[in-house]
Amino acid sequence: EVHLAESGGGLVQPGGSLRLACAASGFIFTDHYMDWVRQAPGKGLEWVARIRNKVNSYTIEYAASVRGRFTISRDNSKNLLYLEMNSLKTEDTAVYYCTRDAIRGAFDIWGQGTMVTVSS
Amino acid sequence: AIQMTQSPSSLSASVGDRVTITCRASQGIVNDLGWYQQKPGKAPELLIYLASTLQSGVPSRFSGSGSGTDFTLTISSLQPEDFATYYCLQDHDYPLTFGGGTKVEIK
Repeated sequence: EVHLAESGGGLVQPGGSLRLACAASGFIFTDHYMDWVRQAPGKGLEWVARIRNKVNSYTIEYAASVRGRFTISRDNSKNLLYLEMNSLKTEDTAVYYCTRDAIRGAFDIWGQGTMVTVSS
Repeated sequence: AIQMTQSPSSLSASVGDRVTITCRASQGIVNDLGWYQQKPGKAPELLIYLASTLQSGVPSRFSGSGSGTDFTLTISSLQPEDFATYYCLQDHDYPLTFGGGTKVEIK
């Protein structure tokens, strides 16, 4: 069964750091682009970052709101996707989802989400 | 950044109604658009990709159309399980952007 499972969320103070992980199973991980999407409480969806597949050399894109503070990476030997978050701000408070890209505009598999709360 | 303007932001409808939701892109995105359904406390689910291709397992009452800047999601006959929030997503240029969402409520 194709599955994604996030972990690593929690409460962190402004300026702090957190690393999220997403465990992938049931598919050939290196074949797919992977993304992080977040949703602040009561708000809509916001795309955060993308890491491409092996064919596209695992290149990376970021939303402007996180560029320079967040780092997306993947460990293809362990089928893990990461989001390293530094210099966290209160506005980073959200549920963070990892997603698998099937094709443009098609995030066909989502994890259950992990909550990140940035507060003093 | 490409802006995705989704309308309406909410609507009330009855079971059996035909429902139409639109997304307008601030510039042309060919057909690089997906539609998602999200229920409270759950992750979004893909309904439609490449503007009009039905995702496997999604009921045929859902359909998508459009290209360029104007896109439509149609539910032909609203069912009780369709009450949810719907989002469009453009994957034509970076940053990827979602529409603001349409909450479909029971009339």
